[in-house]
Amino acid sequence: KQEVTQIPAALSVPEGENLVLNCSFTDSAIYNLQWFRQDPGKGLTSLLLIQSSQREQTSGRLNASLDKSSGRSTLYIAASQPGDSATYLCAVRGGSYIPTFGRGTSLIVHP
Amino acid sequence: DAGVIQSPRHEVTEMGQEVTLRCKPISGHNSLFWYRQTMMRGLELLIYFNNNVPIDDSGMPEDRFSAKMPNASFSTLKIQPSEPRDSAVYFCASSSGPNPTDTQYFGPGTRLTVL
Repeated sequence: KQEVTQIPAALSVPEGENLVLNCSFTDSAIYNLQWFRQDPGKGLTSLLLIQSSQREQTSGRLNASLDKSSGRSTLYIAASQPGDSATYLCAVRGGSYIPTFGRGTSLIVHP
Repeated sequence: DAGVIQSPRHEVTEMGQEVTLRCKPISGHNSLFWYRQTMMRGLELLIYFNNNVPIDDSGMPEDRFSAKMPNASFSTLKIQPSEPRDSAVYFCASSSGPNPTDTQYFGPGTRLTVL
């Protein structure tokens, strides 16, 4: 059974810092990995989707990397802003429609 | 498009009562997903529909839970009778298709509290 772990569970940083969120998974036979953002009281918003054949994806200040063989992904946020404060979840899919989600990293960026 | 619409946004009920959660997917999307999110278990898939047909309900916790999708624009998740351990945030998501590459769009969720 696929298990997804996210470290750290919570992170508080001053504005302007570059930061890295980590996601690890136990079964490397994945189809893709997706990073989501969840704001309090709201649903999930997709940030980046990395196919198993890809190494990284970039969108603005966000960069997600994937090392399938080691079962790891990182989400890099450059020049963090207070508006980046949210919970970030990663989800992996093993070739089916059923994603396995991590518990998320709760990020606070303070001015 | 208004996105995925869920109602109610908050529901407080007493143990033993019937609860019905509603979802309107994004127009044109063929796949619909119901999730439950708790502190203990994180985000779990309950059931998945494709073209209004339930494809996999293995995540449904027990017979007290049932889901229907009578047409392409509406789905319900019903809990009868409800129990305190059902308290959670229930999300509905839709996507254009069942492929893993199809991005899921999530609704805002229904926060259910069973007293």
